[in-house]
Amino acid sequence: NAGVTQTPKFRILKIGQSMTLQCTQDMNHNYMYWYRQDPGMGLKLIYYSVGAGITDKGEVPNGYNVSRSTTEDFPLRLELAAPSQTSVYFCASSYGDRAYEQYFGPGTRLTVT
Amino acid sequence: AQKITQTQPGMFVQEKEAVTLDCTYDTSDQSYGLFWYKQPSSGEMIFLIYQGSYDEQNATEGRYSLNFQKARKSANLVISASQLGDSAMYFCAMREVQTGANNLFFGTGTRLTVIP
Repeated sequence: NAGVTQTPKFRILKIGQSMTLQCTQDMNHNYMYWYRQDPGMGLKLIYYSVGAGITDKGEVPNGYNVSRSTTEDFPLRLELAAPSQTSVYFCASSYGDRAYEQYFGPGTRLTVT
Repeated sequence: AQKITQTQPGMFVQEKEAVTLDCTYDTSDQSYGLFWYKQPSSGEMIFLIYQGSYDEQNATEGRYSLNFQKARKSANLVISASQLGDSAMYFCAMREVQTGANNLFFGTGTRLTVIP
């Protein structure tokens, strides 16, 4: 069991560039989440999904898009990168009623310059 | 208004001693959940403990216990017999059931340092 995997680990983007952060889980979890963690702060929810084909906005969705075509994958898309999106991005997953017990990936450190 | 407040940016504890990390929350929901996560320097988030708003007893998981005081809206984490490996950031979080979606609101964290 690899758990939740994220790629890449690090990335530097120029302003206006686009990229996709990949997230995959092999635990057959139906719920998946994307968070961002700014320096010295807690995590904030960007988007979440309760199952394949279903996504919804979290607390800070602006500037991001997601899709969930399979149970395993939940990619996060940044269309026009801005310096305010410099952050560490965490993907997480959980199962049904135990949604409070979220399993996190190792994170992607993104810098936009 | 902040939904989760952690007022201790940093805490120090002697190895083998107990330590309490403070967390207060703000919600008008009757049904909610409170969690603690640990983030070591390696960066991953590790789930520690959960307390539901209707749970009458304080949650415990090994050396971790959650001191839940509903009237005060506090959910402090108690770590007993601290170990060097407990040095990490600790985040308190809350899930409001009515807002749905398993949205977790996180506090700003407390950095715990265990001194040998």
